[in-house]
Amino acid sequence: KQEVTQIPAALSVPEGENLVLNCSFTDSAIYNLQWFRQDPGKGLTSLLLIQSSQREQTSGRLNASLDKSSGRSTLYIAASQPGDSATYLCAVGSGNTGKLIFGQGTTLQVKP
Amino acid sequence: GAGVSQSPSNKVTEKGKDVELRCDPISGHTALYWYRQSLGQGLEFLIYFQGNSAPDKSGLPSDRFSAERTGGSVSTLTIQRTQQEDSAVYLCASSSPTRPFGYTFGSGTRLTVV
Repeated sequence: KQEVTQIPAALSVPEGENLVLNCSFTDSAIYNLQWFRQDPGKGLTSLLLIQSSQREQTSGRLNASLDKSSGRSTLYIAASQPGDSATYLCAVGSGNTGKLIFGQGTTLQVKP
Repeated sequence: GAGVSQSPSNKVTEKGKDVELRCDPISGHTALYWYRQSLGQGLEFLIYFQGNSAPDKSGLPSDRFSAERTGGSVSTLTIQRTQQEDSAVYLCASSSPTRPFGYTFGSGTRLTVV
């Protein structure tokens, strides 16, 4: 059974700092991996989607990497801003139905 | 519509009552998913629809939970004889056949069973 773990559970950093969020999964037979952002009381917004054949994806200040063999992904946020404060969720797609297995999330606070 | 719409946004119900949660996906999105987000449990998959069919309902926690989708559009998640452990945020997502992993999530229904 696929299990997804995110570390740390919470993180507080000063504005401007570069930071890394970690995600690990137990079964390397994945279809893809996505990083989502969730703001309080809101739904999820997809940030980056990495297909199983890819090693990384970039969007603006965000970079996500994928190492299937070690069962790990990282989300790198450069030059963090207070607007980046949110919960970041890692999700693994394990089949072509589109079903996602989520980690518990990392709640990020960026202080001005 | 422009996004995935869920109603109601909040629902408080008494233990033992039935509830219906509604999801209006983006027009043209053939795939629809229900997830449940509980404190301490994270986001859990409940059921997947492709059109009106549900090829994967493996996440429904008990036979008190059921879902249907009509006209390839609106979906309803029904919880019968609600229990306190059903309290959670129920999220719906949809995706297009041309971009199957490009999910759009609704804002969810917060269900509280008292």
